[in-house]
Amino acid sequence: DVKVTQSSRYLVKRTGEKVFLECVQDMDHENMFWYRQDPGLGLRLIYFSYDVKMKEKGDIPEGYSVSREKKERFSLILESASTNQTSMYLCASERSLNEQFFGPGTRLTVL
Amino acid sequence: AQTVTQSQPEMSVQEAETVTLSCTYDTSESDYYLFWYKQPPSRQMILVIRQEAYKQQNATENRFSVNFQKAAKSFSLKISDSQLGDAAMYFCAYYTSGTYKYIFGTGTRLKVLA
Repeated sequence: DVKVTQSSRYLVKRTGEKVFLECVQDMDHENMFWYRQDPGLGLRLIYFSYDVKMKEKGDIPEGYSVSREKKERFSLILESASTNQTSMYLCASERSLNEQFFGPGTRLTVL
Repeated sequence: AQTVTQSQPEMSVQEAETVTLSCTYDTSESDYYLFWYKQPPSRQMILVIRQEAYKQQNATENRFSVNFQKAAKSFSLKISDSQLGDAAMYFCAYYTSGTYKYIFGTGTRLKVLA
């Protein structure tokens, strides 16, 4: 079975801190994604990557950056966390038949 | 731009009964995929069912089936013989090949009553 893991289930940070969210998949998938999930808004795509060192902006990239130095790892970076970035963050990887596999999510609170 | 709309924020169903969750989408593409994902409370999101737009036959996975109406741009999910474990948030999603981008609806929370 595909396994997608995220570094933390819960995270509390202060405004202005730099935050790293890590995602690792173990099935050699090419594509990886970062979403944020907010009540009433569903999932919104922040960034995705279709290969190592390749990245594309999603629908809400402002305030975020990403890094993909190795195929299995896709990191989301909040350069200077703000309270409006308090959310659930979901990582996903994709296989060739267009099925996404999701991680357990990181619930980030920015105080 | 493509959009996905789930007009039912919350639904309830009695155990063993059937429930249908609605999803509509807007696109000018002819080749695309539609999905239903399930997110149980505090658990990972998983794929329930997938439909390729070029296939006329509705997809079925055990107790889960879809009613895909391409002309009407409608993609509803039917859950038969509902079980307590079906309680979850359900998301409808759309994908067009080559864009790498999935578009998700806002979700429907399904409650299953014992």
